[in-house]
Amino acid sequence: DAGVTQSPTHLIKTRGQQVTLRCSPISGHKSVSWYQQVLGQGPQFIFQYYEKEERGRGNFPDRFSARQFPNYSSELNVNALLLGDSALYLCASSPTGWRGEKLFFGSGTQLSVL
Amino acid sequence: GEDVEQSLFLSVREGDSSVINCTYTDSSSTYLYWYKQEPGAGLQLLTYIFSNMDMKQDQRLTVLLNKKDKHLSLRIADTQTGDSAIYFCAESQPQGNTPLVFGKGTRLSVIA
Repeated sequence: DAGVTQSPTHLIKTRGQQVTLRCSPISGHKSVSWYQQVLGQGPQFIFQYYEKEERGRGNFPDRFSARQFPNYSSELNVNALLLGDSALYLCASSPTGWRGEKLFFGSGTQLSVL
Repeated sequence: GEDVEQSLFLSVREGDSSVINCTYTDSSSTYLYWYKQEPGAGLQLLTYIFSNMDMKQDQRLTVLLNKKDKHLSLRIADTQTGDSAIYFCAESQPQGNTPLVFGKGTRLSVIA
């Protein structure tokens, strides 16, 4: 079975641009979470979605938005990119998004903002 | 608070045991996890422990939980060069916005 897949694997953007990152969860998983990992830090929670509804949001500005589609895949959008948005963006899936469930992570999208 | 604390670096010789430590703050945390991240890769779930357990063993991995001190440790027996990676401790909090709170990670270097 395929794991969590993310695309693209690497991306280079310039300040002020917009970016869309994509994630496909493990088959049968209905919840997707997004995390940002800045170099040298642990992952920070951005969003969680379950059944197309936002279930949780971390402490990130409104430039960050996300959505989940009927097939449970998800997109993360970041507008007006800043240098500080350079990071590894990780997507994780779980069956229902219940707090105690294990999260399974993809390999991430490495975003560089110049 | 939501801080999960880990020491940043650990260096061991191949064949020795490694012990990676973590402290967490939320006494109501239900599950505690250890993830492994190799260079340029995502996070791989290694093992987890439920908060009403003291110990869990899974092949070369042993997780110890001291709830009184909010201390979690991961012991890797017979450490191999392939174990070199960053290890993240994470707690699942029943309340609040964040489903999983991570520490900053411990970089394990295994010397041959």
